[in-house]
Amino acid sequence: DAGVIQSPRHEVTEMGQEVTLRCKPISGHNSLFWYRQTMMRGLELLIYFNNNVPIDDSGMPEDRFSAKMPNASFSTLKIQPSEPRDSAVYFCASMQGGLVNSPLHFGNGTRLTVT
Amino acid sequence: GQQLNQSPQSMFIQEGEDVSMNCTSSSIFNTWLWYKQDPGEGPVLLIALYKAGELTSNGRLTAQFGITRKDSFLNISASIPSDVGIYFCAGRPTNAGNNRKLIWGLGTSLAVNP
Repeated sequence: DAGVIQSPRHEVTEMGQEVTLRCKPISGHNSLFWYRQTMMRGLELLIYFNNNVPIDDSGMPEDRFSAKMPNASFSTLKIQPSEPRDSAVYFCASMQGGLVNSPLHFGNGTRLTVT
Repeated sequence: GQQLNQSPQSMFIQEGEDVSMNCTSSSIFNTWLWYKQDPGEGPVLLIALYKAGELTSNGRLTAQFGITRKDSFLNISASIPSDVGIYFCAGRPTNAGNNRKLIWGLGTSLAVNP
């Protein structure tokens, strides 16, 4: 089975530019999570969706960050405008629905560098 | 946000040695998960624990859900070079209800000298 698919794998952009990260969850998984990973802060949950509806966005840093899930097989995380402090690895993860204790399955991440 | 206390932060061991790492929380958890992350990849689930006292093995890996429900440990026996990576604990607080948000440790970085 295909795992969680993220694109692009690497993104280098200049400060002020818009960045869009993409994620395709595992088929049949109805919860989707966006994480940010840095050395200093570890894995931080930004937002998660259940059945395409945002449930908890308390981790979204500020209004420059937005996430959408237009259907069960696709989600985007957008940063506009980007800043150097946004440089990190962004992970998407999905989880099977029905059981709140189901484990998370991660994609391979997008490494974002903002110069 | 809330984080788990994971220790040690890093380990450097000889091939063949056993490894032990643990996580503690200030609140009671109903789920403990152990993940491993290789460079350039996302974390991969190793072991999931759902009951206090539960002891689960996955090959050379063994993990336990602490009786107090506030801690968990992961042991790796007879380490090999491919065990190198960062190991994360994660858990779900009992008072989270239906919230699927996990609380994460900062990771244990493991290096194995062949």
